[in-house]
Amino acid sequence: DADVTQTPRNRITKTGKRIMLECSQTKGHDRMYWYRQDPGLGLRLIYYSFDVKDINKGEISDGYSVSRQAQAKFSLSLESAIPNQTALYFCATSDRTGTSYEQYFGPGTRLTVT
Amino acid sequence: GQSLEQPSEVTAVEGAIVQINCTYQTSGFYGLSWYQQHDGGAPTFLSYNALDGLEETGRFSSFLSRSDSYGYLLLQELQMKDSASYFCAVGGSQGNLIFGKGTKLSVKP
Repeated sequence: DADVTQTPRNRITKTGKRIMLECSQTKGHDRMYWYRQDPGLGLRLIYYSFDVKDINKGEISDGYSVSRQAQAKFSLSLESAIPNQTALYFCATSDRTGTSYEQYFGPGTRLTVT
Repeated sequence: GQSLEQPSEVTAVEGAIVQINCTYQTSGFYGLSWYQQHDGGAPTFLSYNALDGLEETGRFSSFLSRSDSYGYLLLQELQMKDSASYFCAVGGSQGNLIFGKGTKLSVKP
């Protein structure tokens, strides 16, 4: 079984709808991340969490919110989806090393907002 | 702020050696990482350099020069399966990672 799982894997939604992307991990890591990937723009950090009570904004947090329900679960929400949020979304985890240089990524969720 | 520059595309032939460069600007330096991503797949960790010099892992090596704010990933004995995008990333001051925009490597027969 995969160590980091994401649901759904693909989603098409309409402008204005609320949508939640879920991430679960069995690696026992404390740190979890949400990234967005657009063609030619690499991976951009949306939010990250170093433990259940710690949530931090990343580079592009506007329009997104997160919830860390447990050590193993980290959800990303789009309160009112818009077309420019169409992208590939990745969840990742890492252990407690200072720079978190080795991150483990889930398979991604491809989101399309029409 | 922090930024990374790497070439957008590189092409090489099977069996050859290719070098993917990465230059960075950071307010503080916490190491340089490299990730590989095949089309449709998730990024996977390749290597990490915290100190100057060369780190070797099989056919892949990664180099860092902190004084030049520069690093590279060296891939030897290229295989078709090495066709992928490669990202350099620097550690942020808060324990996060900042990624470059990626280099798409195409390996030709």
